[in-house]
Amino acid sequence: AQSVAQPEDQVNVAEGNPLTVKCTYSVSGNPYLFWYVQYPNRGLQFLLKYITGDNLVKGSYGFEAEFNKSQTSFHLKKPSALVSDSALYFCAVRDMNRDDKIIFGKGTRLHILP
Amino acid sequence: NAGVTQTPKFRILKIGQSMTLQCTQDMNHNYMYWYRQDPGMGLKLIYYSVGAGITDKGEVPNGYNVSRSTTEDFPLRLELAAPSQTSVYFCASSTGGAGTGELFFGEGSRLTVL
Repeated sequence: AQSVAQPEDQVNVAEGNPLTVKCTYSVSGNPYLFWYVQYPNRGLQFLLKYITGDNLVKGSYGFEAEFNKSQTSFHLKKPSALVSDSALYFCAVRDMNRDDKIIFGKGTRLHILP
Repeated sequence: NAGVTQTPKFRILKIGQSMTLQCTQDMNHNYMYWYRQDPGMGLKLIYYSVGAGITDKGEVPNGYNVSRSTTEDFPLRLELAAPSQTSVYFCASSTGGAGTGELFFGEGSRLTVL
């Protein structure tokens, strides 16, 4: 069965430092991968996706993600963290049996310390 | 554009009561989804629809019903509310299937069953 794992419940990073939020996946075939962000008391917002092509995907708010097929990972990165990046981040993968469904990870809470 | 609008934002129900969570989108999206979010559990798909008149079960459909009589509206009905249905509910929509593009989320409906 396909799945995504976010191994860290929480990540703390000092403002200005680079940040990484980890995601690994398990699917048969080529994965379609997504990152979403949730700010407090709001719905999720799309950040970026990988379907095919360049392994480094650029998204909203200066975020990027690196697809690594050999390590089955899709880590979210940003070169310099902002306090306003503090939020809950979800990795997701397409259900390989249905194009119309995705499977979300449990989420990683990112705290950017001033 | 309003995007995806959910009502109510908050509701307290007594065990055994019923209610409907409303969801409407003004983006002419064919695909609509209902998720529930529980702490530390990510998002679980309750029901989804690929177009007016078509609905299908997700991972956790028990205790819920949906209908899709128009492209814009996708209400979620809770029958005989139980404490296990205490959660935050999110409606989402997309142009294509969730596994190919961006999901647009509403701001959520927080339901407490006492």
